[in-house]
Amino acid sequence: NAGVTQTPKFRILKIGQSMTLQCTQDMNHNYMYWYRQDPGMGLKLIYYSVGAGITDKGEVPNGYNVSRSTTEDFPLRLELAAPSQTSVYFCASSSLQGAKSEQYFGPGTRLTVT
Amino acid sequence: AQKITQTQPGMFVQEKEAVTLDCTYDTSDPSYGLFWYKQPSSGEMIFLIYQGSYDQQNATEGRYSLNFQKARKSANLVISASQLGDSAMYFCAMREVSQGNAGNNRKLIWGLGTSLAVNP
Repeated sequence: NAGVTQTPKFRILKIGQSMTLQCTQDMNHNYMYWYRQDPGMGLKLIYYSVGAGITDKGEVPNGYNVSRSTTEDFPLRLELAAPSQTSVYFCASSSLQGAKSEQYFGPGTRLTVT
Repeated sequence: AQKITQTQPGMFVQEKEAVTLDCTYDTSDPSYGLFWYKQPSSGEMIFLIYQGSYDQQNATEGRYSLNFQKARKSANLVISASQLGDSAMYFCAMREVSQGNAGNNRKLIWGLGTSLAVNP
């Protein structure tokens, strides 16, 4: 199993540009999440989804948009990129079942906005 | 208010010795879960161990164990027989269940992490 995959691994954007970070999971998980991790910090939740067609805001949603048209895919859209969005972005997924339901993470996308 | 506190920004341990990484949490929900993740320098997030609030025994996974003290709201990670490959950032996280667009949603609240260096 591939688990959670993210593309691209690295990206440099100019201020004002837009892009989509791709995330795909093959574990049939209901829950999917987008986090950002700034240098020396923990993870902050941007958006999450509890299933296809259902998304909700996390702690830091401003400047981002998401959609969930399928169980497998959860793309994150950055509109009008700003230097404050320079960060490492992680996608994660977890199962609906069980008390533990740990989150499985993708390898991350390192984004620089200049 | 910060719900997960990791008070040790950095820790050092000698190879083959045990080390404890601290984590305290704050919640009024009687049902919660606590997780520890490892992030090596390569950047990926690796799940290590889980403790449920109703679990009677402390969780163990190989060399990892969780010292869960519910009354003190602490969930410290103990790594026994440290190895050089244990050098990494370690994050404590708590699962929070909240009302969202479609009923109860499960989210993780993260601490700021502890950087562990294992010395040969």
